[in-house]
Amino acid sequence: KAGVTQTPRYLIKTRGQQVTLSCSPISGHRSVSWYQQTPGQGLQFLFEYFSETQRNKGNFPGRFSGRQFSNSRSEMNVSTLELGDSALYLCASSMGQGTGELFFGEGSRLTVL
Amino acid sequence: GENVEQHPSTLSVQEGDSAVIKCTYSDSASNYFPWYKQELGKRPQLIIDIRSNVGEKKDQRIAVTLNKTAKHFSLHITETQPEDSAVYFCAASPLNPYALNFGKGTSLLVTP
Repeated sequence: KAGVTQTPRYLIKTRGQQVTLSCSPISGHRSVSWYQQTPGQGLQFLFEYFSETQRNKGNFPGRFSGRQFSNSRSEMNVSTLELGDSALYLCASSMGQGTGELFFGEGSRLTVL
Repeated sequence: GENVEQHPSTLSVQEGDSAVIKCTYSDSASNYFPWYKQELGKRPQLIIDIRSNVGEKKDQRIAVTLNKTAKHFSLHITETQPEDSAVYFCAASPLNPYALNFGKGTSLLVTP
């Protein structure tokens, strides 16, 4: 069974640009959640989608958005990039019901210059 | 919202010793408490979890305890091995087990 796949793995952007990150969950998983990982703040929850609906949202500004498609694949978008958005963005998939285990992807490392 | 504090931020033990990592949470509605291990350059992986209706759970050398009254939970690793070296994250969730509030992590180093 293929794991969680995130693309791109690495990207460099400049301030003011926007970026879209993609996540393909494990087959059969209907929940996709996104986390931002930085050395100072650890893992911070961005949002979680289940069956194309956002169920929960973390405390991030409106520049951070996401969506989920009917095949459970998910994308997150960050507009008007700031230097502080430099981070590893981790996607995690799960069944979405019952067990709470998250299966993480390897992440997309974003550098904002 | 939920706030999870984790201590210590770094921990160094000798092989064979025990390691304890402690977390506190603020939201009394939290009912799910997982622990994730992240080895250097790798993705986080669930190692153990506990729900609020259970006080303790054990899996081989790893155990987690929960004190709901005091709103804290701990990870205990016995007979530590060098491969236990990693960053460990605790988390809590009041509503949705897929929307986790993580602590800032504990970097554990086990020296031979």
